[in-house]
Amino acid sequence: GNSVTQMEGPVTLSEEAFLTINCTYTATGYPSLFWYVQYPGEGLQLLLKATKADDKGSNKGFEATYRKETTSFHLEKGSVQVSDSAVYFCALSGNDYKLSFGAGTTVTVRA
Amino acid sequence: DTAVSQTPKYLVTQMGNDKSIKCEQNLGHDTMYWYKQDSKKFLKIMFSYNNKELIINETVPNRFSPKSPDKAHLNLHINSLELGDSAVYFCASSISIGNEKLFFGSGTQLSVL
Repeated sequence: GNSVTQMEGPVTLSEEAFLTINCTYTATGYPSLFWYVQYPGEGLQLLLKATKADDKGSNKGFEATYRKETTSFHLEKGSVQVSDSAVYFCALSGNDYKLSFGAGTTVTVRA
Repeated sequence: DTAVSQTPKYLVTQMGNDKSIKCEQNLGHDTMYWYKQDSKKFLKIMFSYNNKELIINETVPNRFSPKSPDKAHLNLHINSLELGDSAVYFCASSISIGNEKLFFGSGTQLSVL
């Protein structure tokens, strides 16, 4: 079945540091890939997505590129802010109408 | 206005009790979901409804019974609560089945004592 494996946290960074969260997937066919973010006390919200190989999703300074050859969709941001402190979820969607989430990575950015 | 709202936000109850969580979306979406998030933040789908019809039922114990009176509402009733049911339950909606942009509620933290 479809599954997502993402880097375990927690991750603690200083402001303006570079952030990478690794995500790899296993899927049949050609899934769409997503990053969702959960800010403290809130539900998840879609951060970015990519629907085919070599697509790059981007939003709020975050980027992730769909790499079919390495089955990866790593999330990056060049300069994080305190407001980026959240839990980040990698997810994929196949042909079964289900969104499968990774385990979440907690990121804390210190001033 | 909150797009996806669920109540209550916190629920503390004893083992063996029956409880319900309500969810409403005002986005006009056709599809609604219930997800369970455990203490390690792992998120797993429980149910999905499209236009009041059950689409996904992910091997959830039959103590959990979703009900969708109309496409804007998806409630979750849980019978005979167990310690292992303690988690955060998220309601979500999307425009249609297969649309992966989900809008989540802020969660209901259920604690079973």
